[in-house]
Amino acid sequence: EVQLVESGGGLVQPGGSLRLSCAASGFTFSRSWMHWVRQAPGRGLVWVSRINTDGTNTIYADSVKGRFTISRDNAKNTLYLQMNSLRAEDTAVYYCVRDWASSYYFDFWGQGILVTVSS
Amino acid sequence: QSALTQPASVSGSPGQSITISCTGTSSDVGSYNLVSWYQQHPGKGPKLMIYEGSKRPSGVSNRFSGSKSGNTASLTISGLQAEDEADYYCCSYADSSTFVVFGGGTKLTAL
Repeated sequence: EVQLVESGGGLVQPGGSLRLSCAASGFTFSRSWMHWVRQAPGRGLVWVSRINTDGTNTIYADSVKGRFTISRDNAKNTLYLQMNSLRAEDTAVYYCVRDWASSYYFDFWGQGILVTVSS
Repeated sequence: QSALTQPASVSGSPGQSITISCTGTSSDVGSYNLVSWYQQHPGKGPKLMIYEGSKRPSGVSNRFSGSKSGNTASLTISGLQAEDEADYYCCSYADSSTFVVFGGGTKLTAL
C-alpha cells in the first residue's frame, strides 16, 4: 500500500524557517518524481515544487523561489521541503505528492500537514 | 486569481450528468495533453480522477470522463451519486517558466 506521511509542520513566526518531511512507503521511491502542493485555508490547490528521481533537477513556483528548497534522500525514502523567510501567505496545508509517470499529474497524495505563519 | 478558470459551483440531481469546465490558454491547456482532474472531500487529501485529459486511473468509476477542446478541458460525471459531492480541481502542465497550474476549484452539490 502506497503511503506518504508528512511531518514537521506547526506554528512559526514571519521570517522564520521550517523543514517538512515526507516518509514514503509501498513503492519504489527512488523511481518517482515527487512534488509539494499547498492549500491555504478555504482556498484552492497551488503547486509549489518538483524534484526528479535522483534529486539533480528541481523546479519551483515563482512565489517560493529563492526561499524554499526541495530535496530527497532515496536511502531513507524521504522527501523534504526546507522553508525559509516564511510569510503569512505561506500559511497552508502542505501535501507531499507522487508523480509516478513523470508527467506532471499527481497519482497519490499524503494527508497533508498544516504550516501556520503568524506572530 | 487562479491560472485556470473553473465555475465556482455546479449542482445536479442524483442520476443526472454534470460537466465542469476548465479554461486555460494556449500556454497550458491548449498546448499540452497533460490535464488532470482531482476530487477532494472535506478534510481529505485530493484524489486523482482523470489524467492526460481523458484517462482514468485504476479504481476510478467509468462515470467520470474527461475531454478537451482548444484551451478548455472538461470533466463529466454521469449518473450523479451523493458520494460525488466534493470539490473538483483541474490541473495542467504549463510552459517551462510556470510549470504547473491549477484551477480555482468547483464545488459539486448533489441535490
